[in-house]
Amino acid sequence: AQSVTQLDSQVPVFEEAPVELRCNYSSSVSVYLFWYVQYPNQGLQLLLKYLSGSTLVKGINGFEAEFNKSQTSFHLRKPSVHISDTAEYFCAVTRRNTGFQKLVFGTGTRLLVSP
Amino acid sequence: ETGVTQTPRHLVMGMTNKKSLKCEQHLGHNAMYWYKQSAKKPLELMFVYNFKEQTENNSVPSRFSPECPNSSHLFLHLHTLQPEDSALYLCASSQPTGEVEQYFGPGTRLTVT
Repeated sequence: AQSVTQLDSQVPVFEEAPVELRCNYSSSVSVYLFWYVQYPNQGLQLLLKYLSGSTLVKGINGFEAEFNKSQTSFHLRKPSVHISDTAEYFCAVTRRNTGFQKLVFGTGTRLLVSP
Repeated sequence: ETGVTQTPRHLVMGMTNKKSLKCEQHLGHNAMYWYKQSAKKPLELMFVYNFKEQTENNSVPSRFSPECPNSSHLFLHLHTLQPEDSALYLCASSQPTGEVEQYFGPGTRLTVT
């Protein structure tokens, strides 16, 4: 079975500062990895995904993440955040090549961007 | 409409009521999912349907009853719920193979009194 640990429940940061949201996963098989964002009163929106190939993945809204197999991590980064990035961010994992995607989510990290 | 829609967006029900949540996707997907999102807990997968057939029931109590009449619609029928069932219920859809990301609806905020 897979599991995901998001080490920080909340990350406060000032506008235009860089940010890193941490995600570690556990799996005995190869996986796909995802980051989703949830704005208040909305569903989840896909930010980016790692399937294979380059370990540096670029997503929407200027976010990127790096897959590190040896450290079983998939940390999310943005070089300069905006107030509008304030939201809940979820890391998720699923094993490769399943007939459907049984996503396992972390508990989420709330990013709070202040002026 | 585009994407995944859910109705109602908010629902308050008593423990003896019967209600239904509706999800509709306009993406041409063939897999649909129900998730429960509670405060301070990870999203919990409840049910999965592939081509209208239920392929996953994640030990969900029988007071939750899903229905998938076609690949575009998914329902969650609720009866005799408990206060701890209060949560945000999210619907998602995807292709069953290949394209791997799931597309989520806005959710139904359920409060059981």
